[in-house]
Amino acid sequence: DAKTTQPPSMDCAEGRAANLPCNHSTISGNEYVYWYRQIHSQGPQYIIHGLKNNETNEMASLIITEDRKSSTLILPHATLRDTAVYYCIVRGRSSGSARQLTFGSGTQLTVLP
Amino acid sequence: EPEVTQTPSHQVTQMGQEVILRCVPISNHLYFYWYRQILGQKVEFLVSFYNNEISEKSEIFDDQFSVERPDGSNFTLKIRSTKLEDSAMYFCASRGQGGDGYTFGSGTRLTVV
Repeated sequence: DAKTTQPPSMDCAEGRAANLPCNHSTISGNEYVYWYRQIHSQGPQYIIHGLKNNETNEMASLIITEDRKSSTLILPHATLRDTAVYYCIVRGRSSGSARQLTFGSGTQLTVLP
Repeated sequence: EPEVTQTPSHQVTQMGQEVILRCVPISNHLYFYWYRQILGQKVEFLVSFYNNEISEKSEIFDDQFSVERPDGSNFTLKIRSTKLEDSAMYFCASRGQGGDGYTFGSGTRLTVV
């Protein structure tokens, strides 16, 4: 699985968009970008994933650059409950395989009132 | 929304004792995982389980650890002779056949004294 680089920490004002960057310059053509978050030692929570097109769901948007070497997770209107560690993980498609997720250090996002 | 359930939420045990951590994965999921997180450190993969056998295990998962799916619903992690350094949060996760999202439980905090 390709290595990812994320800033260790970021702050965001409540109600504003939180933009969390991730670099994955060694990503290969069949690898997906996954985002998970962990709120204060709870179990990691799936947010979103994508291959090359931008993706949006009820939680967030994922913007992947055309060369796929980096991506940004966007929380459009951050709330205090979005304070968490956000993990960007690159790996091949899970279907038909028991392959595990490998977590890095992630970005600690703090949403400020 | 389906959940992965872990019990107990907190367990305190004496060094050298055996502990069993229990998990009820989502009912139609086929792939099962245990992770651990020592306080302040990364989420680390321990073991994956599919079709009633271990698919992959990390270096951490040595002979003192074992997993079992005894009755088709529970998925257990046994630590035979606990050490102080086994103190951590232990997370169970499961995933469906074609799905991409891993669903994590809320964890068991194991404290070895």
